[in-house]
Amino acid sequence: KAGVTQTPRYLIKTRGQQVTLSCSPISGHRSVSWYQQTPGQGLQFLFEYFSETQRNKGNFPGRFSGRQFSNSRSEMNVSTLELGDSALYLCASRMDQAHEQFFGPGTRLTVL
Amino acid sequence: QKEVEQNSGPLSVPEGAIASLNCTYSDRGSQSFFWYRQYSGKSPELIMSIYSNGDKEDGRFTAQLNKASQYVSLLIRDSQPSDSATYLCAVSWTGTASKLTFGTGTRLQVTL
Repeated sequence: KAGVTQTPRYLIKTRGQQVTLSCSPISGHRSVSWYQQTPGQGLQFLFEYFSETQRNKGNFPGRFSGRQFSNSRSEMNVSTLELGDSALYLCASRMDQAHEQFFGPGTRLTVL
Repeated sequence: QKEVEQNSGPLSVPEGAIASLNCTYSDRGSQSFFWYRQYSGKSPELIMSIYSNGDKEDGRFTAQLNKASQYVSLLIRDSQPSDSATYLCAVSWTGTASKLTFGTGTRLQVTL
């Protein structure tokens, strides 16, 4: 069974721009969660989508948003990029009623 | 007190020895516990999950949970150089199963 996939793997943007990242979960997994990983703050939860609805949200500003499609694929969007948004963005999927989350390879975002 | 705490290390052990990694957490009711391994430049990989007090073994890995003392540990037997990585402890609390709260990770170095 294929794992979680994320595109693109690397992105370079400038301050003020916006970016959209994509995540395809493991087949059969309907829950997709997004995380941000930085050297200073570690791994932090952004939000979770299940059945096209946001089910949980972390403590990030409204510039961070997401959505999920009927095939469970998810996108996250960051508007008005700041230097501090440079990070590894990870998505993870899990089966409903299960607790284990499986991570994709991540998207490395650099904001200049 | 942070919700999930780990010693950042590095923890250095010789090849063939037992590596012991520890994690403490805030008590907020029922929890699920996970250990992830992250190689430099890669995404976290789930290696163990544990939900009830006691030990859980999988190959060379043993997870130990003690809810009364609020700690969870990971033992790696017969440590190999390929085990050198950062080990992340993660906790999810009842009602927010999708939201993993991570410790800062312990860097393990297995020396020849």
